[in-house]
Amino acid sequence: SAVISQKPSRDICQRGTSLTIQCQVDSQVTMMFWYRQQPGQSLTLIATANQGSEATYESGFVIDKFPISRPNLTFSTLTVSNMSPEDSSIYLCSVGRGGAEAFFGQGTRLTVV
Amino acid sequence: TQLLEQSPQFLSIQEGENLTVYCNSSSVFSSLQWYRQEPGEGPVLLVTVVTGGEVKKLKRLTFQFGDARKDSSLHITAAQPGDTGLYLCAGSNSGGSNYKLTFGKGTLLTVNP
Repeated sequence: SAVISQKPSRDICQRGTSLTIQCQVDSQVTMMFWYRQQPGQSLTLIATANQGSEATYESGFVIDKFPISRPNLTFSTLTVSNMSPEDSSIYLCSVGRGGAEAFFGQGTRLTVV
Repeated sequence: TQLLEQSPQFLSIQEGENLTVYCNSSSVFSSLQWYRQEPGEGPVLLVTVVTGGEVKKLKRLTFQFGDARKDSSLHITAAQPGDTGLYLCAGSNSGGSNYKLTFGKGTLLTVNP
């Protein structure tokens, strides 16, 4: 398994501002994944973060809104830009291993007011 | 697009009762995982099933993968309040470290003492 630390764990932000979420893993991993979990909903993959290359975004998510950095094999950030109340969600980073099993950070609970 | 349908969406039972949660799809998956998520935390992997017809047991939890690898079930015997949480199934169709997971919407289980 992997130990994944996310911060902040929660935040309340004003609309129009941006928040950067950090994800630190205790071991080197090739790929890191960012998910969104809206209230009462399941997990939706935002993007896959690759070290040394651009992140790969899923349909419905764009780099201008959710820029991602992956400076090394143990760290990634997700920024939620120009926030609106619709961005209020839990944001989760994840890493995987062979066999498709995923390990998650504790999540960042974002409220936009 | 592959979809995973989970049922029931909500389940509230008394301590000591048995329950079954279902995860169904029209698509075939190479593996399927079950996760439990508690409030304020990220999902935690419970089990991975990879072989059609496979049955795995984890204490009072029994997981089964359908013969056609399109569906799965989670059975809990003598539920306890500590079993309360959101149960998520997730399917994968890629091997190695480069994979994507498709998540069901989850079953929110409440076990009352």
